[in-house]
Amino acid sequence: AQKVTQAQTEISVVEKEDVTLDCVYETRDTTYYLFWYKQPPSGELVFLIRRNSFDEQNEISGRYSWNFQKSTSSFNFTITASQVVDSAVYFCALGDAGNNRKLIWGLGTSLAVNP
Amino acid sequence: ETGVTQTPRHLVMGMTNKKSLKCEQHLGHNAMYWYKQSAKKPLELMFVYSLEERVENNSVPSRFSPECPNSSHLFLHLHTLQPEDSALYLCASSQDSEIGGAPRDEQFFGPGTRLTVL
Repeated sequence: AQKVTQAQTEISVVEKEDVTLDCVYETRDTTYYLFWYKQPPSGELVFLIRRNSFDEQNEISGRYSWNFQKSTSSFNFTITASQVVDSAVYFCALGDAGNNRKLIWGLGTSLAVNP
Repeated sequence: ETGVTQTPRHLVMGMTNKKSLKCEQHLGHNAMYWYKQSAKKPLELMFVYSLEERVENNSVPSRFSPECPNSSHLFLHLHTLQPEDSALYLCASSQDSEIGGAPRDEQFFGPGTRLTVL
């Protein structure tokens, strides 16, 4: 069965610290997509990244980086030099052909970055 | 207006009321979604419309009734709700690039309607 696990429910860091949010997924499909979304206090989820199962290259976008490892079924997200504006709930999601349009969502990790 | 908008942002209703949630997307997308977000639970997909046809209905109780009059607008009609229906209801849209395959298109979300059922 498809599943996404975000084991960290809440993380609290001090500004400028690096922080890694973990995401572990389960799927039997060979073609699938992984997503990260950010949900700030305003409520709307904001798309951060999509990775397909055939592309294991790590990606960096500014202070954000993602580490995709098929061997461990993980797609971890690192924020370098965190800022207060990074405080939000972060969701990892899995899309595979077995569920058509339905993304499988993790429970989210609430990140608090304190000044 | 840009992106995905939702009205109202907050709604308090009694169990016997009838109300509607509205969603509008200004992105020219061909698919729209209703999600329910409750505390301590994964995001729940309720309905999906693609090209104005409902393509997904995930065992949602009949007290929730969606309507998609065109590709830009989506409604969720509510009647005789229960207190456990209190949640954040999120609307999203996407431009589907592939039908029937793995969902690979990013979804754009609205800010949600915070619903409280008394």
